[in-house]
Amino acid sequence: DAGVIQSPRHEVTEMGQEVTLRCKPISGHNSLFWYRQTMMRGLELLIYFNNNVPIDDSGMPEDRFSAKMPNASFSTLKIQPSEPRDSAVYFCASRLNTIYFGEGSWLTVV
Amino acid sequence: GENVEQHPSTLSVQEGDSAVIKCTYSDSASNYFPWYKQELGKRPQLIIDIRSNVGEKKDQRIAVTLNKTAKHFSLHITETQPEDSAVYFCAASMGGDYKLSFGAGTTVTVRA
Repeated sequence: DAGVIQSPRHEVTEMGQEVTLRCKPISGHNSLFWYRQTMMRGLELLIYFNNNVPIDDSGMPEDRFSAKMPNASFSTLKIQPSEPRDSAVYFCASRLNTIYFGEGSWLTVV
Repeated sequence: GENVEQHPSTLSVQEGDSAVIKCTYSDSASNYFPWYKQELGKRPQLIIDIRSNVGEKKDQRIAVTLNKTAKHFSLHITETQPEDSAVYFCAASMGGDYKLSFGAGTTVTVRA
């Protein structure tokens, strides 16, 4: 199994631009998570899905952030418009019994 | 919600010595406690986990202990090696919920 696959791995964008991060969970996993990691705030859960349904989005920082999971094999996290304080590593993770993380998307907003 | 506290934030040990990281959690309903290791620039990777129906679990040089009464759990690394240098995160899952709440992390440095 290829594990959790994220794209892009690195993105540099200008403030105000839309950013879309993508995730393919491990096949057969029924839960998907989006985490954000920064030095200041550590690992923060943004949102998680169970069987493609958003269960808890209380960690989504603002209305500028949105996430979708149209099917069991794909999810997106969108930031529109992006701001410099959104710069972070965004991890997607999936779970059947144990949570496995993807390699992360390193976002820099200038 | 669940609150996980982790100590110490940094830990430096001599190669061959043991390292111990401690975490406390707030929600007595939590029943799943994994530990993740994150090397610089890499993703967090699960190294060991424990569920609330056991008090201790070992995997080679790594062990985890759980005290449900006191609501704390610990990671023990014996015979540390330079490749053990990383950031270690503890986490707790609220009972019946799939969310993981993470501790702030411990940066472990193993001195050769």
